[in-house]
Formats: sequence, structure tokens, C-alpha cells
Amino acid sequence: NAGVMQNPRHLVRRRGQEARLRCSPMKGHSHVYWYRQLPEEGLKFMVYLQKENIIDESGMPKERFSAEFPKEGPSILRIQQVVRGDSAAYFCASSPGGNAEAFFGQGTRLTVV
Amino acid sequence: GENVEQHPSTLSVQEGDSAVIKCTYSDSASNYFPWYKQELGKRPQLIIDIRSNVGEKKDQRIAVTLNKTAKHFSLHITETQPEDSAVYFCAAVNAGNMLTFGGGTRLMVKP
Repeated sequence: NAGVMQNPRHLVRRRGQEARLRCSPMKGHSHVYWYRQLPEEGLKFMVYLQKENIIDESGMPKERFSAEFPKEGPSILRIQQVVRGDSAAYFCASSPGGNAEAFFGQGTRLTVV
Repeated sequence: GENVEQHPSTLSVQEGDSAVIKCTYSDSASNYFPWYKQELGKRPQLIIDIRSNVGEKKDQRIAVTLNKTAKHFSLHITETQPEDSAVYFCAAVNAGNMLTFGGGTRLMVKP
């Protein structure tokens, strides 16, 4: 059972481009969480999804950011028209729900130049 | 929604001493409390967790306590070693499966 897989590990985008971050949860996990982390800082919640549904997106900016978790395939965090302030590490975590451990992916480090 | 506060933000101890990190939560419906350790440049990894029907749990040098009435829980590391140096995050999961993290504690163990 592979762990949570995120790709790419590193992503460089120019200002104004789009960034697509992918997260494949562990097998059997239907809950996905996305967090953003700046250097030396904590894990800032962005969005919580279950298969095909956004449960809570209160931490995600309403403009330029979107997330999905389709029936088939990975969860996608999409950032349109990136700006330098979007540079950060983006982690996803998955769990089977309930009082069960959430596992993290290795993160995607986005750099906007 | 849930709010998790974590203290202290930084903690420096001498090797062999104990370290204690404290967290409080706001949602009385939260029922699962994991702790994660994040080493520099790596992903957070679970080190211990506790569920709301238990008051204390221990795993070798690490223990966690939970006070549901006061809505706080703590991580205790005994006989600290340099490899314990990392950032530690507490978290709470509520009835809606929302996973909310505290702000983190940077633990430095001096040899």
C-alpha cells in the first residue's frame, strides 16, 4: 500500500501562470485535506474534500484557488494566475475518516518567479 | 469551527531533560487528538494519538494526556535526545472529520 503521493515535488511557475498540484491518497482513504506551509511556520488549513465533494473550503482564497477530488483520479489543487506570495510548500493528507490517522504526502514546493 | 492553540511556540531543553507541549481546543465535539513531528524539509509524521475515551497514553519516552472537561491535551517527552529536535504539531479532529492543527512548537534539544 503506497503512501500518500504528491506530485510534482517541486514546481516553478512564472507570475501569471497556472499551478496544478496533485495528491493521490492512500488506498481506501476517501478524505483529503490540503495545507499550506511557509518556511518556519505552521500548517495552514486550506480545504477538506471527500470523494466528489468539497466539505470545507474556508481556508482557501475565493479567487484563483480551486480544489477537486473526482470519483476517479487524484485530488487537484489548482492555483490560477500565480503570484510571488503563493510560493510555499503545499501538503496534502488523507484519512479513511472517523478517528483514524491522517497520513501526509511529501509536499509540493511551489516557487513563483 | 474548531480552534486549536498550542504553547510554547519554541522550547529549548538540555539533553536528558523532559519537554512538555500543551494544546487547547474549542470544539467540545472533537474526539481524536493526534500529534505530529516534522523534521526540517520533511513531511509531518504521526508520533502518538489519543481518543476522547482515554485520559492518557504512553509509548516509550512519549506520553499524551487529555482533559476533556478543560479541553486541553499535552505531549510529554522524557529523556530527550538531540534527534527529538523538530517541530511538533498537535491537532484535533471533530465529529465532522475536520483536522485542525495548532501553530506548532519548535523543540531544540541541546547536547
